[in-house]
Amino acid sequence: EDQVTQSPEALRLQEGESSSLNCSYTVSGLRGLFWYRQDPGKGPEFLFTLYSAGEEKEKERLKATLTKKESFLHITAPKPEDSATYLCAVGPFRTSGSARQLTFGSGTQLTVLP
Amino acid sequence: GAVVSQHPSRVICKSGTSVKIECRSLDFQATTMFWYRQFPKKSLMLMATSNEGSKATYEQGVEKDKFLINHASLTLSTLTVTSAHPEDSSFYICSASAQGEDYGYTFGSGTRLTVV
Repeated sequence: EDQVTQSPEALRLQEGESSSLNCSYTVSGLRGLFWYRQDPGKGPEFLFTLYSAGEEKEKERLKATLTKKESFLHITAPKPEDSATYLCAVGPFRTSGSARQLTFGSGTQLTVLP
Repeated sequence: GAVVSQHPSRVICKSGTSVKIECRSLDFQATTMFWYRQFPKKSLMLMATSNEGSKATYEQGVEKDKFLINHASLTLSTLTVTSAHPEDSSFYICSASAQGEDYGYTFGSGTRLTVV
């Protein structure tokens, strides 16, 4: 059974104070690791998919990295608008046939203070 | 990119009535859609997996007679909460997977259901 653990549960940063969020996982077989951003009262917004250890992806102030056991979401010089809950999940990347479900972590609630 | 539209965004209903929530993939065909439930400050709990043209697969503990799922076309899945009760009040979210490009799994904007 796939398991995903995120830490910390909550993180408060000053604007410009860089930090990292952690997502550790145990899975069987080939998987993709997904990062999402969720604002209050909204559905998750897709950020990144990582497929293999050593892979990195960037989007604005966010950079996601992946090892065989964990993924980090690095936030560089965050702004108040980066405040949200960040979710990671593991699941198969769909190339053909029916998709299968994702296993989500419990999320990290990030607050960036001005 | 892939877009999933979910309606309504908010609904208030009386106890004992039924409510239907729609989930549409706007620019891609989704043979599989997923329905989640989310409690305040909690992560997403998968309720069921919906495959086009076949019966949905429900997760353990989810009442299939209360949460009716229909996936009649490649772009539309519906969740009907039947005989709703206050404990069914929650945030319901659908998602779909787009084949090919790095869309990941795209989520709808969610439906806040309040049963009074």
